[in-house]
Amino acid sequence: DTEVTQTPKHLVMGMTNKKSLKCEQHMGHRAMYWYKQKAKKPPELMFVYSYEKLSINESVPSRFSPECPNSSLLNLHLHALQPEDSALYLCASSQSSRLGNTIYFGEGSWLTVV
Amino acid sequence: DQQVKQNSPSLSVQEGRISILNCDYTNSMFDYFLWYKKYPAEGPTFLISISSIKDKNEDGRFTVFLNKSAKHLSLHIVPSQPGDSAVYFCAASAATFTSGTYKYIFGTGTRLKVLA
Repeated sequence: DTEVTQTPKHLVMGMTNKKSLKCEQHMGHRAMYWYKQKAKKPPELMFVYSYEKLSINESVPSRFSPECPNSSLLNLHLHALQPEDSALYLCASSQSSRLGNTIYFGEGSWLTVV
Repeated sequence: DQQVKQNSPSLSVQEGRISILNCDYTNSMFDYFLWYKKYPAEGPTFLISISSIKDKNEDGRFTVFLNKSAKHLSLHIVPSQPGDSAVYFCAASAATFTSGTYKYIFGTGTRLKVLA
């Protein structure tokens, strides 16, 4: 069963708000990812966690703050976002972050910044 | 700098015929490739993968071909069905030099429409 669960599915927030996106998987995967996808564009990698440690940060602005409390959970804390940050945020996981691992995506969280 | 490209933004195919989706990449360090299907308002769904040590991988109606010298891969769907209508992304992975962690870069996507 390949299931990655993301909450909330939709989020509207003001530019001064603080909110969080949550992601959960129970497949025993040890790598977790955040991607951002704008309309008609491919998913763009933001962060990779490997064994609960931040492994890759693709020069993401500090208004996005990832957190991996344990091997099953991944959060993305949002603060002082801009309207151009409105997008679909996708969480994914894989068995590990090594070669030959398939990444499995959640359904995404639609974020609108007003 | 788009390292993974899908030059056809859209493709229409008759039901029952073959759909061929293409993907080109520029980074010779890519060594593992995946195809995903995406419906609107859903996350990408994994379809099939191929390692750089192979030139073909088959799973049911889906076959992926890899031509390393041309830095090109293609996804064949035979026979195509109306339910296959979706956006298809190819993705390529390579280890980052700093951490050894593999990162996946996605192509621009091709919208497939299978006509009944």
